[in-house]
Amino acid sequence: GENVEQHPSTLSVQEGDSAVIKCTYSDSASNYFPWYKQELGKGPQLIIDIRSNVGEKKDQRIAVTLNKTAKHFSLHITETQPEDSAVYFCAASIGNAGNMLTFGGGTRLMVKP
Amino acid sequence: EAGVAQSPRYKIIEKRQSVAFWCNPISGHATLYWYQQILGQGPKLLIQFQNNGVVDDSQLPKDRFSAERLKGVDSTLKIQPAKLEDSAVYLCASSGFNEQFFGPGTRLTVL
Repeated sequence: GENVEQHPSTLSVQEGDSAVIKCTYSDSASNYFPWYKQELGKGPQLIIDIRSNVGEKKDQRIAVTLNKTAKHFSLHITETQPEDSAVYFCAASIGNAGNMLTFGGGTRLMVKP
Repeated sequence: EAGVAQSPRYKIIEKRQSVAFWCNPISGHATLYWYQQILGQGPKLLIQFQNNGVVDDSQLPKDRFSAERLKGVDSTLKIQPAKLEDSAVYLCASSGFNEQFFGPGTRLTVL
């Protein structure tokens, strides 16, 4: 089955700096890659997603890039703010967003004011 | 729109006891999922329903876990008997045609 590796497990940045989280996947058939933000005591919330027919997608301060050949994708957060502090998860699935998601292990992002 | 509702939010039981979790998905969402999230790890899918039929339960420990989605709306997940390693947050999610929306989860502690 699919295996998703995520790095780093923790990331500490100064407010205003950029943060990058990287994931690799194993199944070349995977074609949907969402990123979730999970705050303490809450369920994961989708922040951005990308499909395999697109190389990059941006939404304000958040961007995701996908390299299908290398089977890796990354989350980029620019101009980080303290409220960006949370655990971020990447995931992968075959087919559409309603199909089974395989999650990475998570990255705890801490933004220091 | 109202989100995915789960109850209870917290549950503490002793090993070998039984426990049940309840989920009410977003109205109109045909697909419902149960995930197990062990502390410090990403969520792991236990079971996926499409309406009231099971799509994938390959990672559900069927000797102790069971789930049902009667009438294709609400769902319950049961553990009987519980083991120490079942301590985790149990997340319910639902989806229509696109993204999966997650509930707040039920934190289970097995002593």
